[in-house]
Amino acid sequence: GAVVSQHPSRVICKSGTSVKIECRSLDFQATTMFWYRQFPKQSLMLMATSNEGSKATYEQGVEKDKFLINHASLTLSTLTVTSAHPEDSSFYICSARVAGMGGDTQYFGPGTRLTVL
Amino acid sequence: AQKITQTQPGMFVQEKEAVTLDCTYDTSDPSYGLFWYKQPSSGEMIFLIYQGSYDQQNATEGRYSLNFQKARKSANLVISASQLGDSAMYFCAMREGWAGKSTFGDGTTLTVKP
Repeated sequence: GAVVSQHPSRVICKSGTSVKIECRSLDFQATTMFWYRQFPKQSLMLMATSNEGSKATYEQGVEKDKFLINHASLTLSTLTVTSAHPEDSSFYICSARVAGMGGDTQYFGPGTRLTVL
Repeated sequence: AQKITQTQPGMFVQEKEAVTLDCTYDTSDPSYGLFWYKQPSSGEMIFLIYQGSYDQQNATEGRYSLNFQKARKSANLVISASQLGDSAMYFCAMREGWAGKSTFGDGTTLTVKP
């Protein structure tokens, strides 16, 4: 299957700082990537769809000014959590869309655990 | 209305036995895809198996098979010969149309007992 990497895997930061998370497709080009947020023992919540070369599409209720998404190349999308606060602490997972004969499949990165103190 | 429903928050199975994880879905789109992912405690989402809405046969991947009942809108995951390493959270997901985002169920935590 397709390989997606995420960096960093874990980050601890102080309240008010910004944190950038990178998502890379390693062996394929991804025109579309997705960013999810997951709280402990809960399902994945889609935050936004990242499209290469254009603005991200945010889900309802997600602050676009707080969660900045940049998809500058066909293999890299970044999520920046600006002015992070403790309530932003969560597990953030990206995925990349791979087209197939029967439709798209999403392959996920290993996730980034963000802790804001 | 929830589009993907997993009614089993937790399941237990004895090692080497088979287990079925339930998933029902709701869509009016004739083209859709159904997925199962495994999430161990490390957090990574591992793709297990895929079933397209037009696929005539049930999908199989090693010890995983998807019991696709289109009329009942169910897509249950069957894991045969359970192993201790199968203990994890399992998510069912649906993609409506050929491309785009998927909707995830609430997940089922599977525990394999030795």
